[in-house]
Amino acid sequence: DAKTTQPTSMDCAEGRAANLPCNHSTISGNEYVYWYRQIHSQGPQYIIHGLKNNETNEMASLIITEDRKSSTLILPHATLRDTAVYYCIVRATNFGNEKLTFGTGTRLTIIP
Amino acid sequence: NAGVTQTPKFQVLKTGQSMTLQCAQDMNHEYMSWYRQDPGMGLRLIHYSVGAGITDQGEVPNGYNVSRSTTEDFPLRLLSAAPSQTSVYFCASSYLDRGEQFFGPGTRLTVL
Repeated sequence: DAKTTQPTSMDCAEGRAANLPCNHSTISGNEYVYWYRQIHSQGPQYIIHGLKNNETNEMASLIITEDRKSSTLILPHATLRDTAVYYCIVRATNFGNEKLTFGTGTRLTIIP
Repeated sequence: NAGVTQTPKFQVLKTGQSMTLQCAQDMNHEYMSWYRQDPGMGLRLIHYSVGAGITDQGEVPNGYNVSRSTTEDFPLRLLSAAPSQTSVYFCASSYLDRGEQFFGPGTRLTVL
């Protein structure tokens, strides 16, 4: 699986959009980009994933650049409950048995 | 649905003791796995299973055993606990044909 690079930490004001970048410059054409988050010692929570196209669900939007070498997770209206560590993960398949390789992620702090 | 449940939430062991961490899911997921998370680090895969009767090793399997006699349950056994196994353990499950994995709340284990 391709390696990912994320900033160690970020702050965002409550109510603003939080934009979390991820670099995956060695990603292969068939590898997916997944985002999970972990809220203070809880189990990781799935957020969103994509292959080539931008994706949106009830939690977030995922913007993948045309060359697929980087992506941005967007939380449109951040709340205090969005304070968490966010993990960007590249996986070889879209199947459940493909392991998740977690790095150290980005610690996002939402400021009141 | 209860989702993925883990027991116990906390456990303290002495070096050399054995114990079993329980994991159960009620979503009829084929895939189940165990991760460990050490302070300040990402999650690392210990063992996984793609169905009842089938298990395989992840990246850090030494010192742990698993079995999968039913679809619902996937216990993790520590054979002879060592201080290096002090960690938070997470169980996860998913459908084989979907990438989203669901995580349990974790078991915090301390080995003295």
